[in-house]
Amino acid sequence: AQKITQTQPGMFVQEKEAVTLDCTYDTSDPSYGLFWYKQPSSGEMIFLIYQGSYDQQNATEGRYSLNFQKARKSANLVISASQLGDSAMYFCAMRLTGANSKLTFGKGITLSVRP
Amino acid sequence: GAVVSQHPSWVICKSGTSVKIECRSLDFQATTMFWYRQFPKQSLMLMATSNEGSKATYEQGVEKDKFLINHASLTLSTLTVTSAHPEDSSFYICSAPQYRVLAMRYTFGSGTRLTVV
Repeated sequence: AQKITQTQPGMFVQEKEAVTLDCTYDTSDPSYGLFWYKQPSSGEMIFLIYQGSYDQQNATEGRYSLNFQKARKSANLVISASQLGDSAMYFCAMRLTGANSKLTFGKGITLSVRP
Repeated sequence: GAVVSQHPSWVICKSGTSVKIECRSLDFQATTMFWYRQFPKQSLMLMATSNEGSKATYEQGVEKDKFLINHASLTLSTLTVTSAHPEDSSFYICSAPQYRVLAMRYTFGSGTRLTVV
């Protein structure tokens, strides 16, 4: 069965600095997708970045980049130049291939950006 | 971009009553809808998967008679919490997958905060 692990306690970062949020996963399926979502206190789920298991390069989306280490089964999110609005809960999630494939979420990490 | 409209955004109901939550896909056809439940500071837990025109598939431990899911059309899926109790108070959120050439995407509703008093 697939599993997503986020073990960091609440994270703190100074405004304008970079921060890495850890995520490891476990699956025996060779084809899968990894997602990061941001959930502010309002509750909405905001898509940040996606990495496919066959992608050759690490994904990047603006200030977000994904450090994908397939052999280690890790997919860490790097946020550069942190902003106060980045304070939120962050979830790593995985999807296996197949029709109607659901997302499996990690338990999440709370990030607080200090001014 | 794709939008899933979820209503209501919050609701307070009395114990023993039923509450219906709707998720509508506004600009695409949602053949599948995932329903999640989230307690404060915790992760999203999948409750059930609904497919248009067929019965929902419930995750282990989810009471199908308490959480009624209907997916009657390609744009509407509903979750009804029947005979609600205070322990059903939670954040409920729906999500519809979208199949794209390079990667699948998931569009989430904005969530419903249910409080049962």
